[in-house]
Amino acid sequence: AQSVTQLGSHVSVSEGALVLLRCNYSSSVPPYLFWYVQYPNQGLQLLLKYTSAATLVKGINGFEAEFKKSETSFHLTKPSAHMSDAAEYFCAVSVGGANNLFFGTGTRLTVIP
Amino acid sequence: DTAVSQTPKYLVTQMGNDKSIKCEQNLGHDTMYWYKQDSKKFLKIMFSYNNKELIINETVPNRFSPKSPDKAHLNLHINSLELGDSAVYFCASSHPGNPAHYGYTFGSGTRLTVV
Repeated sequence: AQSVTQLGSHVSVSEGALVLLRCNYSSSVPPYLFWYVQYPNQGLQLLLKYTSAATLVKGINGFEAEFKKSETSFHLTKPSAHMSDAAEYFCAVSVGGANNLFFGTGTRLTVIP
Repeated sequence: DTAVSQTPKYLVTQMGNDKSIKCEQNLGHDTMYWYKQDSKKFLKIMFSYNNKELIINETVPNRFSPKSPDKAHLNLHINSLELGDSAVYFCASSHPGNPAHYGYTFGSGTRLTVV
């Protein structure tokens, strides 16, 4: 069975600081990995995805993530946080395509002015 | 045009009532889903459905039933609503056969409150 673990339910960073949101996966076969963002009272929006091509994936809004098989990780980063980045971020995994994404418990990002 | 649209956005109802949430996608995707997001933001899949197969999460009570009149619609019907059904319900769609389209497109959610 596949699953993801997001370390840290809350992360606070200062505006302009590095954003690092952690995600580790568990899968017996090569996974597909995703990061989604949820702004208040909105649905989930796909930030980026890893589908076995390049291990460094660039997404929208300046975010990127690196797939590290040796560490079973897919951490999300952004060099400089902006106030508009404040939201809930979800890591998700699927096997064999896009069916049945399994989501982590989410990380709430707060950006301090 | 909204890619995945859900109605209503908010739904307040009494215990014991029966209600439906509608979902429509105009992306041409062949698979649709319903997720439940609880008060702690945890997302749990309830159903996945294409025109060939309905997969039900075994933990979902049989009071919940998906209904799909066609490929672009997947409605969620809930019988005998309970307080614990209060949550945000998200519809999503995807095209699993095409890697370029891996990943869901979500609707904006329906906040259900049972009183």
